[in-house]
Amino acid sequence: GDSVTQMEGPVTLSEEAFLTINCTYTATGYPSLFWYVQYPGEGLQLLLKATKADDKGSNKGFEATYRKETTSFHLEKGSVQVSDSAVYFCALSSGYALNFGKGTSLLVTP
Amino acid sequence: EAGVTQFPSHSVIEKGQTVTLRCDPISGHDNLYWYRRVMGKEIKFLLHFVKESKQDESGMPNNRFLAERTGGTYSTLKVQPAELEDSGVYFCASSTLGGGAEKLFFGSGTQLSVL
Repeated sequence: GDSVTQMEGPVTLSEEAFLTINCTYTATGYPSLFWYVQYPGEGLQLLLKATKADDKGSNKGFEATYRKETTSFHLEKGSVQVSDSAVYFCALSSGYALNFGKGTSLLVTP
Repeated sequence: EAGVTQFPSHSVIEKGQTVTLRCDPISGHDNLYWYRRVMGKEIKFLLHFVKESKQDESGMPNNRFLAERTGGTYSTLKVQPAELEDSGVYFCASSTLGGGAEKLFFGSGTQLSVL
């Protein structure tokens, strides 16, 4: 079945460092791909999405490109802030349901 | 506008007890979903309601779990009797009819600890 694999955390970075969180997927067909973020004490929020190959999703300085040839959707940000500390989940749509990865915890220190 | 509300936010119970989790979706959202994240694992789909009807409950772990959505408004998820492996975070999400995965709104989850 469809599945998502993302890099294990936790990831600890200094403020203004470059961030990459790897995500690869296995799917039949052409799913939409998502990154969700969960800030401490809050619910899951959609961070960005891409619906077809070569699409780039972006939001709040984060970017991810839907790469069909490598079945990847890596999350990147050029300069992280302390406020980016959260858990990040890669996901794909499988019909109306979402298949999530295990989540990557990010801690950004001043 | 209120978001998706879940309560309790935390629940600690002993093995063998019963726990009921509640989800209030955004008003007017006919789709309601339950998901669960067991520690260190993926967030897994449990089931999907359209209004008061169960559309898909293929993700429900076993018959100790019972979800209801009487009247098509709020939903409850009851675990009876609870086992240690039921510990995790239970998320609820809602969307309008026809709303795709990108239009889901999630609650902040219920952290369930079974001791």
